[in-house]
Amino acid sequence: QQQVKQSPQSLIVQKGGISIINCAYENTAFDYFPWYQQFPGKGPALLIAIRPDVSEKKEGRFTISFNKSAKQFSLHIMDSQPGDSATYFCAARTGGSRLTFGEGTQLTVNP
Amino acid sequence: NAGVMQNPRHLVRRRGQEARLRCSPMKGHSHVYWYRQLPEEGLKFMVYLQKENIIDESGMPKERFSAEFPKEGPSILRIQQVVRGDSAAYFCASSVRQGADTEAFFGQGTRLTVV
Repeated sequence: QQQVKQSPQSLIVQKGGISIINCAYENTAFDYFPWYQQFPGKGPALLIAIRPDVSEKKEGRFTISFNKSAKQFSLHIMDSQPGDSATYFCAARTGGSRLTFGEGTQLTVNP
Repeated sequence: NAGVMQNPRHLVRRRGQEARLRCSPMKGHSHVYWYRQLPEEGLKFMVYLQKENIIDESGMPKERFSAEFPKEGPSILRIQQVVRGDSAAYFCASSVRQGADTEAFFGQGTRLTVV
């Protein structure tokens, strides 16, 4: 019940395209859903986050869509750039405690 | 304001040795979390500490692993008698408090290799 399922495992997108990564969860007690970006050899960095009382949040080219009834949320990267090539992790948290991470998506944006 | 500092960045240990990983949280942060990342996998929670207290250690292996966050100094993750399966990247995160919207900031990680 603590798992967060992430797909796809890897994604290749052309420059200027839209990258979409999906996550699903079971635990309805999760109340905070962040997305992290990780470059090789670096630690995860917070990209954007959403609470379950909001259906969508947009920051620049990054948008989270949240479907509470389906227990799913997704990250959309508009106008994808080669510099966006990284591993993306969705995560979920209850009450400000530990984060439960998805398995990660390796995004490659071709020039 | 420096970020979360972890050292060493890379650590090589022979089987049976001890590994000590250090984490200095961001200034003003009193909550520390340790995560382990195996190759090609996501991060798995290990332990959550607040100054001098272990709050949640449900992700820690029962044997050989311990963690502390003393009143003064960095948080330490200690792995005794390391085995090859302990080879992984270990990340520390810190936050200023516990709360639904509180962001956790991650360090660069310590990459442990057991030979």
